Amino acid sequence: AQSVTQLDSHVSVSEGTPVLLRCNYSSSYSPSLFWYVQHPNKGLQLLLKYTSAATLVKGINGFEAEFKKSETSFHLTKPSAHMSDAAEYFCVVSEDNYGQNFVFGPGTRLSVLP
Amino acid sequence: DVKVTQSSRYLVKRTGEKVFLECVQDMDHENMFWYRQDPGLGLRLIYFSYDVKMKEKGDIPEGYSVSREKKERFSLILESASTNQTSMYLCASSFGDSESSPLHFGNGTRLTVT
Repeated sequence: AQSVTQLDSHVSVSEGTPVLLRCNYSSSYSPSLFWYVQHPNKGLQLLLKYTSAATLVKGINGFEAEFKKSETSFHLTKPSAHMSDAAEYFCVVSEDNYGQNFVFGPGTRLSVLP
Repeated sequence: DVKVTQSSRYLVKRTGEKVFLECVQDMDHENMFWYRQDPGLGLRLIYFSYDVKMKEKGDIPEGYSVSREKKERFSLILESASTNQTSMYLCASSFGDSESSPLHFGNGTRLTVT
């Protein structure tokens, strides 16, 4: 069965410093992995997705994530935080081939301090 | 870009009312989903649909029903609204034939039942 763990419920960084949001997953197969961002009172926006083509995935707004099979991790990083990055971030895993079965992590709230 | 449109951003209803939440997507996606999001509980799947007139229960279907008469439209129905259905409701869609197809979300409907 699939599961997703986001190790930090809240991360706080200063503007201009690096961001690291951690995600570990459990999957029986080769999963697809996604990161989403949610700003207050908005829907979830896709940041990036891993689909086995490359282990380092670049997304929008300067975010990237690295798939590490040996560690079952898919951590999200950004070299320099911006105030507009303050939001909730969700790691999501999917195993099926029909775009139907998604398991969400509990989310990490990112605060960016001036 | 995929667009998923939810008909209302904010909705206030009275206990016992029948409530319709509408969702439309413009990318010919096979799959459509309804989630609710509550603080501390994350995203929970209510129902999803993989084709016109086809539906599957999610994790928390009690008190809800759905309708999909056309491929682009997926409606969530609260037969008799109750205060514990006060929540943020998120609609999403995805392609049905790709292992890496992500979910595309609408902006959400914040429903308050008084």
